[in-house]
Amino acid sequence: QSVLTQPPSASGTPGQRVTISCSGSSSNIGSTYVFWYQQFPGTAPKLLMYRNNQRPSGVPARFSGSRSGTSGSLAISGLRSEDEADYYCASWDDSLPGWVFGGGTRLTVL
Amino acid sequence: EVKLVESGGGLVQPGRSLRLSCAASGFTFDDYAIHWVRQAPGKGLEWVAGIIWNSGGTGYGDSVKGRFTISRDNAKNSLYLQMDSLKSEDTAFYYCAKGPDFWSGFDSWGQGTLVAVSS
Repeated sequence: QSVLTQPPSASGTPGQRVTISCSGSSSNIGSTYVFWYQQFPGTAPKLLMYRNNQRPSGVPARFSGSRSGTSGSLAISGLRSEDEADYYCASWDDSLPGWVFGGGTRLTVL
Repeated sequence: EVKLVESGGGLVQPGRSLRLSCAASGFTFDDYAIHWVRQAPGKGLEWVAGIIWNSGGTGYGDSVKGRFTISRDNAKNSLYLQMDSLKSEDTAFYYCAKGPDFWSGFDSWGQGTLVAVSS
């Protein structure tokens, strides 16, 4: 079991808005930042969102992030077929201490 | 352009050792923390180990603590992972990943090297 909990799958049609949740605890998301990574099959993960809601350069504004209490979420608006990928959340956990990941969410664009 | 290239993976028997390397270029290597993150085939991501810029601090995931050792050579722009007492559950793609600092995530990743532990 992963320390951070994500839904295993999510889906939407082109143009829709989809949200992926990431549930943690007071020792990780509740006390520090949440990060999001995007991974296409057979490739390395790529940083999608850092410090809860900051987009690295090159990431479209359609992607947004937020944190509330011990949970984080990633929203993708104007869904496109090329957004079909696996999405992982991550956070530093003070109690371990160490980095923890969610189990990943496979996004399907219908 | 930031580039991280892992090497050293392969097939190894349970109980044996293996050393991974990560060659870095395109940035000032000794300004940044570097980590190893692994992914078993078809599974999720797992943080393995990290090291701060001057080797003054390291951290390990619970599943590898006491068996794996992370190190770096800033003069050679290289990161290493010494893996001892390997188990079948260590089978995974191993990625090196750069972080702005130890606690700020992983902003660039290598393409990974596959380690398969099997008799």
